[in-house]
Amino acid sequence: DQQVKQNSPSLSVQEGRISILNCDYTNSMFDYFLWYKKYPAEGPTFLISISSIKDKNEDGRFTVFLNKSAKHLSLHIVPSQPGDSAVYFCAAGSSNTGKLIFGQGTTLQVKP
Amino acid sequence: SAVISQKPSRDICQRGTSLTIQCQVDSQVTMMFWYRQQPGQSLTLIATANQGSEATYESGFVIDKFPISRPNLTFSTLTVSNMSPEDSSIYLCSVERSGETQYFGPGTRLLVL
Repeated sequence: DQQVKQNSPSLSVQEGRISILNCDYTNSMFDYFLWYKKYPAEGPTFLISISSIKDKNEDGRFTVFLNKSAKHLSLHIVPSQPGDSAVYFCAAGSSNTGKLIFGQGTTLQVKP
Repeated sequence: SAVISQKPSRDICQRGTSLTIQCQVDSQVTMMFWYRQQPGQSLTLIATANQGSEATYESGFVIDKFPISRPNLTFSTLTVSNMSPEDSSIYLCSVERSGETQYFGPGTRLLVL
């Protein structure tokens, strides 16, 4: 039973355009969500997070949107840069446990 | 954020042997976590390690196979025991900072032959 799903294994966008990565979850107990970027041979790097009491959080080129009724979140990267090419994981957590459940990841390729 | 180091960064081991992975953090943290990322898969939580108490293991992971130590607030070890090729994975430690945000170490890449 996969509680956090990233249904798109890969995404390719042109440099300068918007990248939209999507994530769905099933457990209503999740109350915070995070996005991580992972390069090969490195550990995941924290990008941005959002609490369940918000529907949007922005940090520079990165914006995360949360739709609680749809149990859906998305990460927008604008403008996309070639250095953004990596695997992106969404993760969901419950403040009761501190544990994170990760999605399968989406490989983003930004073409120059 | 947090500065986290792991040793070894990678290893190739023979089946039946054991490997201990070390995780060192630059400052004291309460909660440390151990994850596994099998080839082509997502990150899966193995256990939560709090200082002064036994580690809490997730479903599918047992202490005999993955014993964990947490001797102080900056250090933890994970041992992969009696290894088989199915244990070939990236093993990652993480710590909780800034609320619920977890920061990860660089990972240990394990290949079991």
